[in-house]
This record gives sequence, C-alpha cells and structure tokens, in this order.
Amino acid sequence: DAGVIQSPRHEVTEMGQEVTLRCKPISGHDYLFWYRQTMMRGLELLIYFNNNVPIDDSGMPEDRFSAKMPNASFSTLKIQPSEPRDSAVYFCASSPDMGGDYGYTFGSGTRLTVV
Amino acid sequence: KQEVTQIPAALSVPEGENLVLNCSFTDSAIYNLQWFRQDPGKGLTSLLLIQSSQREQTSGRLNASLDKSSGRSTLYIAASQPGDSATYLCAVRGSSNTGKLIFGQGTTLQVKP
Repeated sequence: DAGVIQSPRHEVTEMGQEVTLRCKPISGHDYLFWYRQTMMRGLELLIYFNNNVPIDDSGMPEDRFSAKMPNASFSTLKIQPSEPRDSAVYFCASSPDMGGDYGYTFGSGTRLTVV
Repeated sequence: KQEVTQIPAALSVPEGENLVLNCSFTDSAIYNLQWFRQDPGKGLTSLLLIQSSQREQTSGRLNASLDKSSGRSTLYIAASQPGDSATYLCAVRGSSNTGKLIFGQGTTLQVKP
C-alpha cells in the first residue's frame, strides 16, 4: 500500500478563493481524520469519519470549512472563502479503529498558504 | 478542558546519550496516551500507545511510561542516534467514545554525531 496520499503537497492561494484538499486513505481503514497544524495552536483535530460518515466535526473552525467523504477511498476538505489565518499544514490520517490502537497512518500533509 | 504540555520544547544531545522527554496532561481521566514522531515535512508516525490501565510500553530503544494519577508520561530513548532527530509529540484520548486526540506542542530533538 502506498500509504495515505494527500494532494496537493503545497497550495498557495489568494484570500477569498476556494481551496480543496484531497486525501486517499489506506484501503480497509474504516476511520479517516483531518488535522490542522500551526505553530501557534499545534495539531488540532478538525473532523473524523467512520465508514464515510462524519462522526465529530466539533473541531471545524467555522462554516467556511466543510469536509466530505463520498466513498471509502476519497475525502475532501474545502475552505470557501479562504483567509490568511487558514494558512497551516493540513494532515489526513486513517486508522482501522477509532482510537488508533493499531496505529494511525498519516499522510505527508498539504501546506496551505493564503495570501 | 484537557491540556497537554511537553517540556522541553527543544533538546540537543550528543550521540549515545540516554534521554527523557516529558508530557503532562491536566485531566487524569484519559483512555490512553500515545507518542508520535514527526520528521520535517512529513506526517506523524505512531511510536507507542499506553492504555490507561498500563504503566509502560517498550519498543526497541524506546520506553514510554504513564502515571495517570499525576498526569504525566515520559518517553525514554536509550543510546540516542542522529536518526532519532525529529519532533516527538504526545497525545491523549479522553474516552473510548471518541476518536479525538489532544496533542502537546511537541519536543524537537537534535542528536549530534
């Protein structure tokens, strides 16, 4: 397996534009997590899915953020409109179980810069 | 509200030293605690997971301990190597009903040859 695949690796966009981040989890992993990492706030959970269904989206900062998982092999995180404070590294992770008892597999992240 | 703190924020040691990284959490009612490693520009790699009923876990040169009542965990790295240079993060899971992890800010370790 190629691991968790995220695209793009880097994204630079202008304030107000729509940004879509993509993630392909490991096949057979029932859980998918979206995290955001910044210097100020560290690593924060945004949302996670179980079998394509969102379970906890309490970490989504505001209505400008939305996440979908249309099937077991693909998820998107969309920001519309984007703002400079959204600049961060966004990670996707997948796991066979909710709590990572069998480990999490993280993607390499998408570094988003909003100018 | 659970808060996780890691001290020190950065550490530099010569190769071969044994070292300890610290993690503390404010709410002792946790389900488990995990240690991760993050290399520059990469995602996180799971290192060790300690259930709330356990005291420690070992993997190779790594040993993680948990003292839930005092809200502390340590990651011990024996005979450090330059390849151990990375950021180490601890994270706690509050209950079996959630997949949410609360992360510390991490300790950035540099092992000098």
